Amino acid sequence: EDQVTQSPEALRLQEGESSSLNCSYTVSGLRGLFWYRQDPGKGPEFLFTLYSAGEEKEKERLKATLTKKESFLHITAPKPEDSATYLCAVQAASGGSYIPTFGRGTSLIVHP
Amino acid sequence: NAGVTQTPKFQVLKTGQSMTLQCAQDMNHEYMSWYRQDPGMGLRLIHYSVGAGITDQGEVPNGYNVSRSTTEDFPLRLLSAAPSQTSVYFCASRPGTEDQPQHFGDGTRLSIL
Repeated sequence: EDQVTQSPEALRLQEGESSSLNCSYTVSGLRGLFWYRQDPGKGPEFLFTLYSAGEEKEKERLKATLTKKESFLHITAPKPEDSATYLCAVQAASGGSYIPTFGRGTSLIVHP
Repeated sequence: NAGVTQTPKFQVLKTGQSMTLQCAQDMNHEYMSWYRQDPGMGLRLIHYSVGAGITDQGEVPNGYNVSRSTTEDFPLRLLSAAPSQTSVYFCASRPGTEDQPQHFGDGTRLSIL
């Protein structure tokens, strides 16, 4: 069974204090790992897709990395507007499954 | 480009009532899905569809019904609303290949009294 675990559940940072969010996964063959950002009262918004170990993607203050067992979302010098819940999802290659597995998310609050 | 549109945004029902949550996408995506999101539970898949005329159950299908008569629309029906179905419901779509991300609507906030 595919599993995705995100840690920590919640993270409070001061503005400018860099940190990382973790997404550990167990799947039988990875087709893709997705990071989303969700603001209160909104649907998840796509950030990155990672396909293979060693791959990295960057967007403004965010950088996503991937190994064979986990992905990290690094936040460099965060600002209050980076406050949101960050979701990780994995799509397995096994058996023609069309269903991605989501983690429960990390709630990030950045204080000014 | 509107993306994924969900209506209504808010709804209050009484126990036993039925209703349909609407979802429409204008990206010609083959795959569509419905999730519910509850505090501490994350996103849980209710039903999904890989194309018009094809639907399947997700993790929590009981009490919900879906149909997919067109590529664009994927309505979710609550047959007889129960307080346990109070939640935020999200519809999502993506192209047919599994290595593409999903696009989400902004949700329907449903309360069952």
